[in-house]
This record gives sequence, structure tokens and C-alpha cells, in this order.
Amino acid sequence: SQTIHQWPATLVQPVGSPLSLECTVEGTSNPNLYWYRQAAGRGLQLLFYSVGIGQISSEVPQNLSASRPQDRQFILSSKKLLLSDSGFYLCAWSAGGGPSTDTQYFGPGTRLTVL
Amino acid sequence: AQKVTQAQTEISVVEKEDVTLDCVYETRDTTYYLFWYKQPPSGELVFLIRRNSFDEQNEISGRYSWNFQKSTSSFNFTITASQVVDSAVYFCALSETSWGKLQFGAGTQVVVTP
Repeated sequence: SQTIHQWPATLVQPVGSPLSLECTVEGTSNPNLYWYRQAAGRGLQLLFYSVGIGQISSEVPQNLSASRPQDRQFILSSKKLLLSDSGFYLCAWSAGGGPSTDTQYFGPGTRLTVL
Repeated sequence: AQKVTQAQTEISVVEKEDVTLDCVYETRDTTYYLFWYKQPPSGELVFLIRRNSFDEQNEISGRYSWNFQKSTSSFNFTITASQVVDSAVYFCALSETSWGKLQFGAGTQVVVTP
């Protein structure tokens, strides 16, 4: 069966510091991968998605970037965090290899607080 | 434009009451998919159901049931005999073949008290 991991689970960082959040998927090959942010107030915002290694699409211009160095690894980064980067970051995967309407399965999330 | 509308921000019920969550969507695609997810206090989004636009049959899974009506562009979710463990935020989402990404509603907070 497939599982998705995210770490760290929680993170408190000062403004201006770098960020690296990691997401890995097990039990599947060539998944589509997604990063979402959920700010206080519940709305889910798609930040990035990837249909393959090195292929990243950005949905929202921002202070963040994403990379996919391996088939089942997806990394969210920032060089300098802003207060507005605080939120709950969720990684998800779906079967794919291209744009997909398949079910997305979510990881446990990382709660980021920028002070 | 908002593609998925969940007009109910919060619903509070007493245990064993039924609760229905409304979801209205908007799309021009003829083929699309609708989803419901549950987000308990722990934060992880838990997948509940996926329906395609050609399958209007209502679905029941234990205490959960879903009513899909294309005529009114609605995909409502009912929890029968609610329990405290049902307390969570529930999200409805739409995936269009022309877009290929999930578009979420704002979510409905369900609070079940003993």
C-alpha cells in the first residue's frame, strides 16, 4: 500500500531564515505530487505540483519554491521566510504521469510558524 | 471565480443527530469528478469519496451517504447518527478534466457534542 510522509511535523522559524520541507511517497511509481498551504481560516491553496522528476508547476507567485530531485520526493523551500509564510503545509500524491483527475491522498502536514 | 461553494461555515449538532453538508459546484466540463475530504483536528486530510459526473447514483458507506444531483450541481454529504469522532472540517472538491487539479470549497466545520 502507498504511504506519504512529511517532515518535520512542526517548525518554528524566525523571519528571514531558510526553509526546507520534505515529502516522500512509498509504494507507488511516477506519482503526481502536490504542495498545498492552509492558512488560518481553513482554505486550501495549491502552491506547486509536479508530474515528474524536475518538472514543477507553480500556481501562485510567492516566496517559495519546490523541487523534485527523485521520483517520490518533493521538497518545498524558501531562502528567506516571511511572516505570511506561516501556515499548515500539506503534501499530496495521486496516480499520474500527467495532469490527473485521480484522487489525491494527503500527508500528515507540517505546521510552520514564522516569528 | 469560486468553483466550489460550501455555504455552511459551521454546523453544531448533538450526538446521534443527522447532519447534512451542502456542496454546490460550477463547471462547464461534461466530465468531472467530485470529492469529499475530512480534516480532523490532527490536520491530515482524509479522503472519503470520489464520484464522476456520469454516476449519479447515491452512495452509502456506513453512516455516511452522498447525494449527487447534476440538475442542481450539488453533491451533498450526510452523516447519520453523528458521533463525537465526526467532529472535523469537511471539504468538498472538484476536479475538471480541462484543468486536472483539485479545487476545494472553503470547508464546513462540524461540531458534535455529547
